[in-house]
Amino acid sequence: GAVVSQHPSWVICKSGTSVKIECRSLDFQATTMFWYRQFPKQSLMLMATSNEGSKATYEQGVEKDKFLINHASLTLSTLTVTSAHPEDSSFYICSARGRGFPNQPQHFGDGTRLSIL
Amino acid sequence: AQKVTQAQTEISVVEKEDVTLDCVYETRDTTYYLFWYKQPPSGELVFLIRRNSFDEQNEISGRYSWNFQKSTSSFNFTITASQVVDSAVYFCALSEGPGNQFYFGTGTSLTVIP
Repeated sequence: GAVVSQHPSWVICKSGTSVKIECRSLDFQATTMFWYRQFPKQSLMLMATSNEGSKATYEQGVEKDKFLINHASLTLSTLTVTSAHPEDSSFYICSARGRGFPNQPQHFGDGTRLSIL
Repeated sequence: AQKVTQAQTEISVVEKEDVTLDCVYETRDTTYYLFWYKQPPSGELVFLIRRNSFDEQNEISGRYSWNFQKSTSSFNFTITASQVVDSAVYFCALSEGPGNQFYFGTGTSLTVIP
């Protein structure tokens, strides 16, 4: 079945550094990818939607200059947390959807646990 | 606007007991999809079921069963003869299409006590 790979699965870094998270669709072309964020003991909230070859659409309250999303190919989207601070510590999950909208299901990556010291 | 409510924040049951997790949703769309996911402590989302708005048949898969009732906008999930491995957070979610963004409920943390 379809698989979405997310890397890294866990990252710890110092405050002020930038962190890049990759989301890859391994056996299908992902025309759309979604990025969700989950704070401890809370639900998953959509941060942004990215379509291949175009700018991402951010949800209200999500800083586009802080959370840079690039979806340059049909198999890869990246989320870069720039100048990360402790409040950015969270669990980030991507999901990918193939062609055939709207009936194609989306598949979730395993998530990235980000800890900023 | 779409909204999913999981009123039960935490549930504890003793092994072999049955447990039902409630999910109530709101949407103005006539076509929509409902999902249940399991999230173990490791964090990944494990897909359990997808149901579209035109299919109100209840479904059973092993010890799992789902009761979809459009009249009450509910999509409840029952685990029969619970096991310790069922301990996890369970999320109910809604989307306009299986490939659209998900609206997740706040999750129910289930603990099965041996």
